[in-house]
Amino acid sequence: GQNIDQPTEMTATEGAIVQINCTYQTSGFNGLFWYQQHAGEAPTFLSYNVLDGLEEKGRFSSFLSRSKGYSYLLLKELQMKDSASYLCAVRTFSGGYNKLIFGAGTRLAVHP
Amino acid sequence: EPEVTQTPSHQVTQMGQEVILRCVPISNHLYFYWYRQILGQKVEFLVSFYNNEISEKSEIFDDQFSVERPDGSNFTLKIRSTKLEDSAMYFCASSERQNYGYTFGSGTRLTVV
Repeated sequence: GQNIDQPTEMTATEGAIVQINCTYQTSGFNGLFWYQQHAGEAPTFLSYNVLDGLEEKGRFSSFLSRSKGYSYLLLKELQMKDSASYLCAVRTFSGGYNKLIFGAGTRLAVHP
Repeated sequence: EPEVTQTPSHQVTQMGQEVILRCVPISNHLYFYWYRQILGQKVEFLVSFYNNEISEKSEIFDDQFSVERPDGSNFTLKIRSTKLEDSAMYFCASSERQNYGYTFGSGTRLTVV
């Protein structure tokens, strides 16, 4: 089966750094995505890893270890507007086609 | 920046009624998807669509659901006879190529009463 685990909730302070972890057990792994979702809104793309290592994109970085089935999203210089849910999603390839499977999301609250 | 457009933003319907949720994917995208998110739960895959046919569907996507691309721009999700448990946010997404990222629409909140 497909399983994606991430913490349910995290809190952090404005200006700090936070790391959100994600572990996965899936078949047909073909990349890992991180999305941000504000309440009642659509997921918006943050980052993508298909090879092992770190991808940096401004205040956001994401890391992948395929052998460990592990990824993390690192958010630096936290701002109040970063309070949102962060969704770890694995792209799986099966029957000739891709699809995204989402974790349950980590709700991040940033405090002053 | 190109967007995926969904209409309506909110639909209220009575149990047993048919609903059609509409999506206009980004014009040069070839792969289309429907996802749903029940309030407080995770985003769940429903169906993927390519070359005018379903490429994969989940267990949720039973005979009550259907998808169609009636013309060159619209992509619709039909629920034939809605149930209370169909109440959710429905997201359409599209992708230019197989290995490209997905762009999500802003969603349709479906409330079945």
